[in-house]
Amino acid sequence: DIVLTQSPALAVSLEQRATISCKTSQNVDNYGISYMHWYQQKPGQQPKLLIYEGSNLASGIPARFSGSGSGTDFTLTIDPVEADDIATYYCQQSKDYPPLTFGSGTKLEIK
Amino acid sequence: QVQLKESGPGLVQASETLSLTCTVSGFSLTSYHVSWVRQPPGKGLEWMGRIRSGGSTDYNSALKSRLSISRDTSKSQVLLKMNSLQTEDTAIYYCTRHPGMDYWGQGVMVTVSS
Repeated sequence: DIVLTQSPALAVSLEQRATISCKTSQNVDNYGISYMHWYQQKPGQQPKLLIYEGSNLASGIPARFSGSGSGTDFTLTIDPVEADDIATYYCQQSKDYPPLTFGSGTKLEIK
Repeated sequence: QVQLKESGPGLVQASETLSLTCTVSGFSLTSYHVSWVRQPPGKGLEWMGRIRSGGSTDYNSALKSRLSISRDTSKSQVLLKMNSLQTEDTAIYYCTRHPGMDYWGQGVMVTVSS
């Protein structure tokens, strides 16, 4: 199984940049596509897709969110951070399955 | 619009079988895959398995011996059955559409009582 590693928490000031990392135990690229996706989950809500295939913004997601990276190292950037962004962020790979695997989540907190 | 909605019992006894239904609208089960994902209280997301648009299934090996996913396309429903429940199976159970897990249901909380 591909293991995804995320830091547990990140504290950022409002209007600053947040960078959330995800490292995978195996390469999740194939033929130029990164099979890495990012989700936001607010307390009491279901996850919401933010970024798919490494860097593509999902429908209705503000351009403050962006994804980058390749191979085994990926980053979700939020710039600038707003109060509404307080949530837990999960990365997920779909390169090698089953199983589809998620990172353990990074909780974004405001300083 | 695309919607998914989970339903099922909120409380199940240990060693019994869990049956959940995901009712979808706004898309066809023969065009999209649907997965089940669960989340224990205060913990992360675990992919359980999925049924593909063609009807075949994939399972998480950690659950494969206990899990079955099927569908009724006439009712636009995806069915989950998991047997031999333990307290560790207490979680919110979500269904979600592929590709990209772009739409999720609101989830159903299932508590396994010993």
